[in-house]
Amino acid sequence: AQSVTQPDIHITVSEGASLELRCNYSYGATPYLFWYVQSPGQGLQLLLKYFSGDTLVQGIKGFEAEFKRSQSSFNLRKPSVHWSDAAEYFCAVVLPSGYALNFGKGTSLLVTP
Amino acid sequence: DGGITQSPKYLFRKEGQNVTLSCEQNLNHDAMYWYRQDPGQGLRLIYYSQIVNDFQKGDIAEGYSVSREKKESFPLTVTSAQKNPTAFYLCASSNTESSYEQYFGPGTRLTVT
Repeated sequence: AQSVTQPDIHITVSEGASLELRCNYSYGATPYLFWYVQSPGQGLQLLLKYFSGDTLVQGIKGFEAEFKRSQSSFNLRKPSVHWSDAAEYFCAVVLPSGYALNFGKGTSLLVTP
Repeated sequence: DGGITQSPKYLFRKEGQNVTLSCEQNLNHDAMYWYRQDPGQGLRLIYYSQIVNDFQKGDIAEGYSVSREKKESFPLTVTSAQKNPTAFYLCASSNTESSYEQYFGPGTRLTVT
């Protein structure tokens, strides 16, 4: 079955530390891949996307993600987190022939001083 | 500024009542979507519409209905048949050229007691 997995429900990092959020997918073909961020009680904002080409993609707010076909992964990274990065992060995928995004269940990020 | 508006932000209803959630966009997008978000569940697709006067069921359409009479508007009605209507509802839109890049509204939190 097609699925998107975010293995970590909660992650806590210290401000200034590096961050990596994991995303794995299970699809018959390579899907298009997205990371969204959601602040409490708000809508979702697109951080970055991967369709094809360079497997390291840069997004907004200093985030980047790397697509690894062999591992069916699309992990999100940030070299140094800020307190304002505390939020819920969602990985989403869609097949090129598809019509709507399939979301992972999200990872909640807490940033400590 | 272009964007998606959802109203109201908070909505309270008694069990057994139908309620309609508003979604308006001025991005000139053809496609619009409704998602439901529950804690720890990610986002699940309720309905989507790719063109005026046409819409399709998503993964959890039971107990919901929609209309798409105008390009800008995609209201969602939560009917009394929906067994667990209390949730956070998100509307999104995209254009047909890049239908995977969805822009989200701020959401409506519906509480049914």
